Amino acid sequence: EDQVTQSPEALRLQEGESSSLNCSYTVSGLRGLFWYRQDPGKGPEFLFTLYSAGEEKEKERLKATLTKKESFLHITAPKPEDSATYLCAVELTGGGNKLTFGTGTQLKVEL
Amino acid sequence: ETGVTQTPRHLVMGMTNKKSLKCEQHLGHNAMYWYKQSAKKPLELMFVYNFKEQTENNSVPSRFSPECPNSSHLFLHLHTLQPEDSALYLCASSQGRGGQTQYFGPGTRLLVL
Repeated sequence: EDQVTQSPEALRLQEGESSSLNCSYTVSGLRGLFWYRQDPGKGPEFLFTLYSAGEEKEKERLKATLTKKESFLHITAPKPEDSATYLCAVELTGGGNKLTFGTGTQLKVEL
Repeated sequence: ETGVTQTPRHLVMGMTNKKSLKCEQHLGHNAMYWYKQSAKKPLELMFVYNFKEQTENNSVPSRFSPECPNSSHLFLHLHTLQPEDSALYLCASSQGRGGQTQYFGPGTRLLVL
């Protein structure tokens, strides 16, 4: 069965304390992996799409990487405004635009 | 308006009511989606429309009825819902081809009493 697992479920960081979020997937064939950020009561906001192992993308303090089994979202020197739930989703080859989501990592960055 | 918009943002309804959720995308996309987000659960795909044709119904109960009159508008008609249907309902859109990013609206927070 296709699965997407995110860890940790929750993460508390001090401002400036870098860390990584993990998204591991067990799927028959990966077409793309997507990272989103979601603030409470709002819809997910697109961050990155990764298509092949070895690919990396960066945006401000965030960097996403992809291997054949997992993806990491690295947060460098986070700020309180980075606090949110980070969601990972995969689309399978032949999946017909369907995304399978993980349950997310709830990040809290404190002063 | 830009991006994906949803109305209403909040909705309270009784189990015997009939209501509709509306989604509109201003991105020129050809595919639209309904998702359900419940606490502590992953986003759950409900329906997919590609070029106005329904291509996915993820075993959704018939009390949820989607409608896609054109590529820019998507509705979710609700009737005789149950309290467990209370959730955040999210609409998304993307280009019609696979591997394309889905962009989400702000959601409708639904409470069924």
